[in-house]
Amino acid sequence: GEDVEQSLFLSVREGDSSVINCTYTDSSSTYLYWYKQEPGAGLQLLTYIFSNMDMKQDQRLTVLLNKKDKHLSLRIADTQTGDSAIYFCAEKRDRGSTLGRLYFGRGTQLTVWP
Amino acid sequence: GAGVSQSPSNKVTEKGKDVELRCDPISGHTALYWYRQSLGQGLEFLIYFQGNSAPDKSGLPSDRFSAERTGGSVSTLTIQRTQQEDSAVYLCASSLGPHTPNQPQHFGDGTRLSIL
Repeated sequence: GEDVEQSLFLSVREGDSSVINCTYTDSSSTYLYWYKQEPGAGLQLLTYIFSNMDMKQDQRLTVLLNKKDKHLSLRIADTQTGDSAIYFCAEKRDRGSTLGRLYFGRGTQLTVWP
Repeated sequence: GAGVSQSPSNKVTEKGKDVELRCDPISGHTALYWYRQSLGQGLEFLIYFQGNSAPDKSGLPSDRFSAERTGGSVSTLTIQRTQQEDSAVYLCASSLGPHTPNQPQHFGDGTRLSIL
């Protein structure tokens, strides 16, 4: 993706928390998204956060946004083997010519060990 | 339909042939996007349709790639004279539109294209 960076791999033990990090560079970002991709499937929206928020919680998922540092994280509590997948961070930028387009990171492969 | 539908789910073809990939967006979604996902890579933006506006083609990698959207609904991505580097998963997404900022893009399951 263009200037959206993620670490490529993360391994955790079942029951532990997982934290997936993402950095972006465009200050015009309006919304930031987390998508999950399981093998052979498309991308499933997990959650999103508006850029004027710093935290959003949705059941086992917590999104933290540090707009000053352009850093986004996704925390999964009590990680399960079914959470094993690729997680993509994406940003929507508030620019007229690219309005609506999402910019994706390369994805973080989360592996959960039993 | 309930979700974004793409067909075929898998396509294997010989180098040099033309292929057509189809996307049927969620009913009522005015915005439609095509992305390409190569092995181990992130999502590469290809093209974006919004209502009756001229599409944003800035992501198309070469003039062998084209896409159209008829009647503001179904879209077809066409790749002419396919090359081996075109092998990838082609994903389609739709949303209510860019001017509804909290409406995310919903993705289909993709077409896995393999060029022999």
